[in-house]
Amino acid sequence: GAVVSQHPSRVICKSGTSVKIECRSLDFQATTMFWYRQFPKQSLMLMATSNEGSKATYEQGVEKDKFLINHASLTLSTLTVTSAHPEDSSFYICSARRDTFSSYEQYFGPGTRLTVT
Amino acid sequence: GENVEQHPSTLSVQEGDSAVIKCTYSDSASNYFPWYKQELGKGPQLIIDIRSNVGEKKDQRIAVTLNKTAKHFSLHITETQPEDSAVYFCAASIPPNTGKLIFGQGTTLQVKP
Repeated sequence: GAVVSQHPSRVICKSGTSVKIECRSLDFQATTMFWYRQFPKQSLMLMATSNEGSKATYEQGVEKDKFLINHASLTLSTLTVTSAHPEDSSFYICSARRDTFSSYEQYFGPGTRLTVT
Repeated sequence: GENVEQHPSTLSVQEGDSAVIKCTYSDSASNYFPWYKQELGKGPQLIIDIRSNVGEKKDQRIAVTLNKTAKHFSLHITETQPEDSAVYFCAASIPPNTGKLIFGQGTTLQVKP
């Protein structure tokens, strides 16, 4: 399989501050990455699609000004949670699309646990 | 839009038995169906996938079947081991071919030694 890393794995921040989470594809290039949010004992909810060199596309109900996404290179996408509030506390997971000869696969990072106090 | 239903939500089996998890999807244009295993506090791990031009795929103790007509696909784990205990998610691609996935609700599998 392919390897996707995330940093940090855990972060605690105060309400009103911003937090940046990095997602890297370590052994392949990813023109497309995805950001998900997962609440305890629930499924993954797609937040946005990150495209290298262009603006991210957000799912309905996700505030683009609150969750800033930057896909600066073929191996790095960042998610910045701005003016974080306790309700933003969650498990954030990125994934990267690896294109194969005829199709694609999607590999996930290990996730980032965000706690806003 | 696409919707994926996954059953059962919890599954408990004895070590060595088989486990089957089933998913149904709504959009007949979906063409990619991966399965992920998620352990507590970790990201999902791709364990097997199937595409719409194939009816069955097997990888050692894991197999996936796809019935396009009925729009359902299943994960089969044989000779289960305690380390198979985890949450399993099915997913279906959201047309058009952007790579976006919609996930099922998850199945918590417990393998009792």
